[in-house]
Amino acid sequence: AQTVTQSQPEMSVQEAETVTLSCTYDTSESDYYLFWYKQPPSRQMILVIRQEAYKQQNATENRFSVNFQKAAKSFSLKISDSQLGDAAMYFCAYRSAYNNNDMRFGAGTRLTVKP
Amino acid sequence: DTGVSQDPRHKITKRGQNVTFRCDPISEHNRLYWYRQTLGQGPEFLTYFQNEAQLEKSRLLSDRFSAERPKGSFSTLEIQRTEQGDSAMYLCASSSPRTTNTYEQYFGPGTRLTVT
Repeated sequence: AQTVTQSQPEMSVQEAETVTLSCTYDTSESDYYLFWYKQPPSRQMILVIRQEAYKQQNATENRFSVNFQKAAKSFSLKISDSQLGDAAMYFCAYRSAYNNNDMRFGAGTRLTVKP
Repeated sequence: DTGVSQDPRHKITKRGQNVTFRCDPISEHNRLYWYRQTLGQGPEFLTYFQNEAQLEKSRLLSDRFSAERPKGSFSTLEIQRTEQGDSAMYLCASSSPRTTNTYEQYFGPGTRLTVT
């Protein structure tokens, strides 16, 4: 079964600095999707960025970018120019391309942004 | 498009009571998912609907849990004879292949259940 591991329960970053959140996953499948979701305190989870496994180019969305290393099964999230509003729980998620219903989440990383 | 909504946002109940939660997906999203999220963990898949058909259920969904989506629009999740271990955030999400071919899931705010 696919598993997602986020080895950093908590991270902190100074406002305007850059931080990288780690995620590794285990799968025997060749085609899948990877996601980073953000869950602010007492607010709903929103999608930050997604990556299709068949694409070699790393996805970027404004200040958010990923480092996707398929062979290493690694999918880290880089947040540049961190803002106070970036403070949240961040979840890495894996979804098989063969079963669109089965999304597996990591345990999350709590990001604190210091002013 | 008002997003996924869930009701109630919070529910406190006594052990042994039945509770029911409602989820309204984004309009025209044909897929609807229920997840459970315990403190300090990521969401865990419970069940999935495509239109009105419940196509998949996790082993986490014991026989005390039942979910319905009668007309392929809103869904309800009922927990019978609640136990303290049922205390968690229950999340609903929806998706549609018409919005993106990656079937991105859009989440609601969740219902936080506390069983006393």
